[in-house]
Amino acid sequence: EDKVVQSPLSLVVHEGDTVTLNCSYEVTNFRSLLWYKQEKKAPTFLFMLTSSGIEKKSGRLSSILDKKELFSILNITATQTGDSAVYLCAALNSGGSNYKLTFGKGTLLTVNP
Amino acid sequence: EPEVTQTPSHQVTQMGQEVILRCVPISNHLYFYWYRQILGQKVEFLVSFYNNEISEKSEIFDDQFSVERPDGSNFTLKIRSTKLEDSAMYFCASYENYGYTFGSGTRLTVV
Repeated sequence: EDKVVQSPLSLVVHEGDTVTLNCSYEVTNFRSLLWYKQEKKAPTFLFMLTSSGIEKKSGRLSSILDKKELFSILNITATQTGDSAVYLCAALNSGGSNYKLTFGKGTLLTVNP
Repeated sequence: EPEVTQTPSHQVTQMGQEVILRCVPISNHLYFYWYRQILGQKVEFLVSFYNNEISEKSEIFDDQFSVERPDGSNFTLKIRSTKLEDSAMYFCASYENYGYTFGSGTRLTVV
């Protein structure tokens, strides 16, 4: 059975701190690893990682994938209160004509002023 | 930026009633999906749809559920006889090589 495990499940930090969120996966026909930010409703796309060892960056957020260790991390530097959200990791399985996501439980990040 | 549109944003229905959740995926995407998220739980895959047919469905997607793409733009999820445990956020999504985009969701409350 496909599995995605995120840690920690929750994290409380102060503004300005740097955080690292972890995601491990065991997925058949693995294609890519995706990170989303979920505030009130829909998951908002952050990154899609397909190649190992290549860091993707967007402002204060960055992410990298290790396909040998089946692991990804999401870093957020200089955190702000607006970064408070649930961060979801999802593994994309590409079997046949189907591209299905298996999600982790998410990491609830709370950034206090 | 292209987006996936879902309506309604919130639906309250009585147990046993039929509901139809509607989605307009990104126009040049070919792969369409429904996911759901019960309050406090993981986002779960329900069904994938490609080339006008279901390509995979989960154990959750039983005979009470159906999907349709009635025209070139809309993609619907029908629940024939709703149960209390169908209360959840339902997300439509569409995929191409460069991204997997979710709609804003429909909160379904079965009373």
